Amino acid sequence: EAQVTQNPRYLITVTGKKLTVTCSQNMNHEYMSWYRQDPGLGLRQIYYSMNVEVTDKGDVPEGYKVSRKEKRNFPLILESPSPNQTSLYFCASSLGHGISGNTIYFGEGSWLTVV
Amino acid sequence: DQQVKQNSPSLSVQEGRISILNCDYTNSMFDYFLWYKKYPAEGPTFLISISSIKDKNEDGRFTVFLNKSAKHLSLHIVPSQPGDSAVYFCAAKRPSGTYKYIFGTGTRLKVLA
Repeated sequence: EAQVTQNPRYLITVTGKKLTVTCSQNMNHEYMSWYRQDPGLGLRQIYYSMNVEVTDKGDVPEGYKVSRKEKRNFPLILESPSPNQTSLYFCASSLGHGISGNTIYFGEGSWLTVV
Repeated sequence: DQQVKQNSPSLSVQEGRISILNCDYTNSMFDYFLWYKKYPAEGPTFLISISSIKDKNEDGRFTVFLNKSAKHLSLHIVPSQPGDSAVYFCAAKRPSGTYKYIFGTGTRLKVLA
């Protein structure tokens, strides 16, 4: 089954404790990205990657890091989480080319609470 | 600066009637638009899309209309069903060569049986 898988789905952590949210896709997609969803603000893009070793900032990259060492994986790293990073996070991927290449497929989301 | 706006946070429609969800954008350089549906505790799922070179795209009960001069996008659902109750997001893709997407804030649709 074609899917985007992210872990953990739910996490409560403390301020300053480094954490990583993993993301993996099995569709051989070139493009992957991370979004956060906050009330009244919709989905905002954090970082995206157009291929292995190619990443770029989205609209809200502060406080986050990413890496793309393999095509299927795109982890989101919070080096020193703060309470304003409490949010619902979505990983997404798309083919990146062709007729349907612009369609984004989302994971199920990771609820992160920083206390 | 909200480049993609969904000005109606919520909408209620009777089952069988038409649902119309609206989206306005400010950047005339957007070249692709998408609509997503989101149920609670799930990730957004793709519904329908339209390229900026077209003004209409249809898929079953769902039709998306694009008015470039007005920078306006709408999603029509006909007939509406209770299972359509969800939050709907419109999204715009920045010009070719980038994969930066801007999402609206969402409209919660409730279809009443």
